[in-house]
Amino acid sequence: AQSVTQLGSHVSVSEGALVLLRCNYSSSVPPYLFWYVQYPNQGLQLLLKYTSAATLVKGINGFEAEFKKSETSFHLTKPSAHMSDAAEYFCAVSDPKTSYDKVIFGPGTSLSVIP
Amino acid sequence: EADIYQTPRYLVIGTGKKITLECSQTMGHDKMYWYQQDPGMELHLIHYSYGVNSTEKGDLSSESTVSRIRTEHFPLTLESARPSHTSQYLCASSELDPRGTEAFFGQGTRLTVV
Repeated sequence: AQSVTQLGSHVSVSEGALVLLRCNYSSSVPPYLFWYVQYPNQGLQLLLKYTSAATLVKGINGFEAEFKKSETSFHLTKPSAHMSDAAEYFCAVSDPKTSYDKVIFGPGTSLSVIP
Repeated sequence: EADIYQTPRYLVIGTGKKITLECSQTMGHDKMYWYQQDPGMELHLIHYSYGVNSTEKGDLSSESTVSRIRTEHFPLTLESARPSHTSQYLCASSELDPRGTEAFFGQGTRLTVV
C-alpha cells in the first residue's frame, strides 16, 4: 500500500536558518505530491504541489520542494526561517494505485522557530 | 481564497447526545471528505463523497455517518456521542478528478465529549 513517511516529528530551527522538512513516499509509479501547512486550531492550507511538470516546485511563503524520483523523496525547504513559519507540516500523496482517488497524508512534522 | 466552512468551530457535549457537524463549500466541488485528527497527530480519512447521493467509508472506521443531499453540503452525524469521539474533525473538498488538484480544507470542528 502507498505510504508517506516524514522523518522527524519535531524540527527546530533558528530564525533565519535553513528549513528542511523531509518526505518520502513509496510508489513504483510517480504520484502527485503535496505539502500542506496547518497553523494551530486551523485547517490545512496548500503550500505547493508536484504534478509531473517541473521537478522543482515553488510554493507560497518562500517554500519550495524538489521531486527526486530516484530517492522517492519530496523534501520541503525554505532558505530563511521566519517566526511565522512555526506550524505543523504535512506531506501528502495522491495514490496512483487507486487512480489517484485517495490522498494519503504523512504523520506530520511540527516546526518550531527559535528567535 | 477557498470557501469551505465548518460549524461549529468548538463543541463540548455530553455522552449519549446526538450531534451533527456541518460542512459547506461554495466552490462547486463534487468531491468532499471528512478527516479525523487527534491533537498533534496525522489525519485519518473517515468518509468521502463523489457527489450527490454518494458516500463512501474511508480508511479509518468511524461510528459517524454522513449524507450528501446537496453538492455544497456534507454533514457528519454521531447518533450517540462518546468520550472516544473527542477529536478534531476536518472537512475538505476538491474537484472530481484528483490528479494534481488539491483539497481545500475548512477550519475544523474540535469536538469534546464529556
